[in-house]
Amino acid sequence: GAGVSQSPSNKVTEKGKDVELRCDPISGHTALYWYRQRLGQGLEFLIYFQGNSAPDKSGLPSDRFSAERTGESVSTLTIQRTQQEDSAVYLCASSLWGGNTEAFFGQGTRLTVV
Amino acid sequence: AQTVTQSQPEMSVQEAETVTLSCTYDTSESDYYLFWYKQPPSRQMILVIRQEAYKQQNATENRFSVNFQKAAKSFSLKISDSQLGDAAMYFCAYRPQYLLQGAQKLVFGQGTRLTINP
Repeated sequence: GAGVSQSPSNKVTEKGKDVELRCDPISGHTALYWYRQRLGQGLEFLIYFQGNSAPDKSGLPSDRFSAERTGESVSTLTIQRTQQEDSAVYLCASSLWGGNTEAFFGQGTRLTVV
Repeated sequence: AQTVTQSQPEMSVQEAETVTLSCTYDTSESDYYLFWYKQPPSRQMILVIRQEAYKQQNATENRFSVNFQKAAKSFSLKISDSQLGDAAMYFCAYRPQYLLQGAQKLVFGQGTRLTINP
């Protein structure tokens, strides 16, 4: 596709339920990032994938959070047993390999836990 | 670990005037990249400008320019002739050069909300 696509755009879930968020990166982009953005806050790094290398999971806030990516394709971020504190916008970005390359962002998934 | 700090949660400027947004960062690396991203209410993050640390010349993109002070680890964004469409959250970001595992992680500041007054 032309850009990074995230789905769903909005998700409302009940506390305790599991949710899956999807990210389709730009074709050919080997790097993929997930960030969390709470209301009015900055971007909190969650996880980073680079090609087939082991992902950098250093930003995942708890073991309820996990993410997968197969090769250089789609990634899913899963939050198990959601809590109200998980309510946020989850942003995905992808880029080519290289320090100065631009990261292209999707429009995010707004997750509301009620 | 690298950190990025934006000390101005909010800024406002009159239309057509100039505004400067501050950013400082902390790193032990000598080679890295710095970015300013804009996030309008649509949530879409847009790259405004980037700077390679090895370049002494400050980057410029039309009305947007940076003041990069490597020794001071400062990277401010200047917006000239402010326009209503410039109203957004602005985020400063850092990424190291070396392509080690995990080293390409983009680290963001907390953001500055810019308001343009007509």
